[in-house]
Amino acid sequence: QLQLQESGPGLVKPSETLSLTCIVSGGSISRSGYYWAWIRQPPGKGLEWIGSSYYTGSSYYNPSLKSRVTISVDTSKNQFSLKLTSVPAADTAAYFCARHRFYPYYYMDVWGRGTTVTVSS
Amino acid sequence: QSVLTQPPSASETPGQRVTISCSGSSSNIGSNTVNWYQQVPGTAPKLLIYNNNQRPSGVPDRFSGSKSGTSASLAVSGLQSEDEADYYCAAWDDSLDGRYVFGTGTRVTVL
Repeated sequence: QLQLQESGPGLVKPSETLSLTCIVSGGSISRSGYYWAWIRQPPGKGLEWIGSSYYTGSSYYNPSLKSRVTISVDTSKNQFSLKLTSVPAADTAAYFCARHRFYPYYYMDVWGRGTTVTVSS
Repeated sequence: QSVLTQPPSASETPGQRVTISCSGSSSNIGSNTVNWYQQVPGTAPKLLIYNNNQRPSGVPDRFSGSKSGTSASLAVSGLQSEDEADYYCAAWDDSLDGRYVFGTGTRVTVL
């Protein structure tokens, strides 16, 4: 059974870089047809897709975050990571990683439990 | 802001049926399939419906989805207390080089 687990600092200072890792267990991150995604949810608000990447390096990012986001997949460690640069307080949120089925049907079928990141000095 | 619009709330008594709408446009719902996620507060979202009307293994058949044109809907029949949660529609959007968009979310309350 595929499982995802997020890890990373719970507190990041404004203007610094937010870095999170998602460890994939119970299946291969190189499986054909599946991208790997990050989604976030500010306190009391809805879900926001951050971006999705394939093990070959292909990536899609939310246009509103594209200039600050990098999602990379490490097949040797079966994990993927999120880097979000120059964070403001508005990046405070619960961050989820997920497996993202891609083309021709797009859906996220396996999710991590999420990790809370607070941006504050 | 979200490009998929949902009513902020819906409520019904146990055993009844509740329906949630999701309104989009030609670049998302009009061109791609719709998914629905259920999120109990404080937990991760869970895939409830994919490809407009398909249920993943383990999802009760009380949950059903449909799509027509640029709109979609989720119906929950035989409402139970454990169905109290936030529900989000989502779809791929072909604009701006491609992006995945979520709806604004609907809080379902079981009265």
